[in-house]
Amino acid sequence: EAQVTQNPRYLITVTGKKLTVTCSQNMNHEYMSWYRQDPGLGLRQIYYSMNVEVTDKGDVPEGYKVSRKEKRNFPLILESPSPNQTSLYFCASSLRLASAQYFGPGTRLTVL
Amino acid sequence: GESVGLHLPTLSVQEGDNSIINCAYSNSASDYFIWYKQESGKGPQFIIDIRSNMDKRQGQRVTVLLNKTVKHLSLQIAATQPGDSAVYFCAEILDWEYGNKLVFGAGTILRVKS
Repeated sequence: EAQVTQNPRYLITVTGKKLTVTCSQNMNHEYMSWYRQDPGLGLRQIYYSMNVEVTDKGDVPEGYKVSRKEKRNFPLILESPSPNQTSLYFCASSLRLASAQYFGPGTRLTVL
Repeated sequence: GESVGLHLPTLSVQEGDNSIINCAYSNSASDYFIWYKQESGKGPQFIIDIRSNMDKRQGQRVTVLLNKTVKHLSLQIAATQPGDSAVYFCAEILDWEYGNKLVFGAGTILRVKS
C-alpha cells in the first residue's frame, strides 16, 4: 500500500531533550516536506527536500533540522526542543514539486 | 483531538445540497493548485488539483474552478454527504523562483447537517 508513515504518532518530552521524528514513503517520491499545524495558523512548511541530499528551509525552520540521505526517508530533528514547538507535525511527499502531496498521519508533539 | 479549525470560516449545508468552498490565492505566478480535505485527527487528504492552463476540472462529485484574473479558486461538492464534513484547504505551488514550496490557505470548515 502506497503510504507515508511517521513515528512516533504521539510524543511528550521535556525542554532541551533532543528528539527525532521519522518519516518514510514507499512511493519513490522525489519531493518530501515537513509541516507544522497550529490552531489559527494553518499548515506551515518547516523544511523541504527536492531530492536526496537536497534540502532547504521553508517558512518556519528555526529550531529544526532535517536530512535526506535516502530517497524514502526524511527525518525531522529537534536538537533542543522548546515549548513553542508543541504542535502537530505532518510529513508529506510527492513525485515532484508540482504534483499532489501525500501526507502522513501526523505526530502530536508536546514539549513541557 | 485538538481542533485545527479555530477561527476558521464555516460553511454549513444540508445533506444532499451542493457546497461551494472558496479560496483566494496569493501569487499570480502560481501554476498549480490543490484542494485538500482534513478530517479530525488525520492528515490532509488530496481531493483534486488543477493547473493554471485550465479553468475547470471535474472529479467524482467534485469540481474545481480557477479564475486567474482575480486569483480565486473554488471547490464545488455535489450532493454533499455527512462524510464530507471536514476542514478544506486550498494550496498553491510556488516554483523555484519563489522557494519551491506549497503554500496553504487558512482553510474552511464544512459542516453537513443531516
